[in-house]
Amino acid sequence: GNSVTQMEGPVTLSEEAFLTINCTYTATGYPSLFWYVQYPGEGLQLLLKATKADDKGSNKGFEATYRKETTSFHLEKGSVQVSDSAVYFCALPSASGGYNKLIFGAGTRLAVHP
Amino acid sequence: DTAVSQTPKYLVTQMGNDKSIKCEQNLGHDTMYWYKQDSKKFLKIMFSYNNKELIINETVPNRFSPKSPDKAHLNLHINSLELGDSAVYFCASRGQPNSPLHFGNGTRLTVT
Repeated sequence: GNSVTQMEGPVTLSEEAFLTINCTYTATGYPSLFWYVQYPGEGLQLLLKATKADDKGSNKGFEATYRKETTSFHLEKGSVQVSDSAVYFCALPSASGGYNKLIFGAGTRLAVHP
Repeated sequence: DTAVSQTPKYLVTQMGNDKSIKCEQNLGHDTMYWYKQDSKKFLKIMFSYNNKELIINETVPNRFSPKSPDKAHLNLHINSLELGDSAVYFCASRGQPNSPLHFGNGTRLTVT
């Protein structure tokens, strides 16, 4: 079945540093891929998505490109801020059950220091 | 204005008690979910309903019983609470298949 693997955290960076959080997937077909972010004390919210190969999703300075060749969807940001401190989840729909189930990676905690 | 709202935000109770968590969405979505997030932030789907019909029922103890009175509401009742049930429970909803989920802010359940 479909699955997603993301790098373990925590990732600790100084403000304005470059961020990469790795995500690789295994999938039947070419499902949409998502990045969600969870700020402290809140639920998950969609950060960005890509619906087909070579698509680039972007939002709030974050980007991720759907790469079929490397089965990856790495999250990047050129200059992080303290307010980006959160847990980031890579996700894709399960192939079973009509894509009704969204499978999440284990989450990567990002801590940005001034 | 809140799209997916769940109550209560915090729930502290003793082992053996029965408790309920309520969820409502005003997005007009047909599909709703319950997810459990453990202390390491790992998210596991529990249940999903589509238009009041159960469509996903993962390997969850039968002490957990979801109920959907209409497509805008999905409640979770837990009988005979155990220490291991302590977690954050998230409600979510979704429109079309393959579209993003919208999450509530979670209910932190602590069983003592």
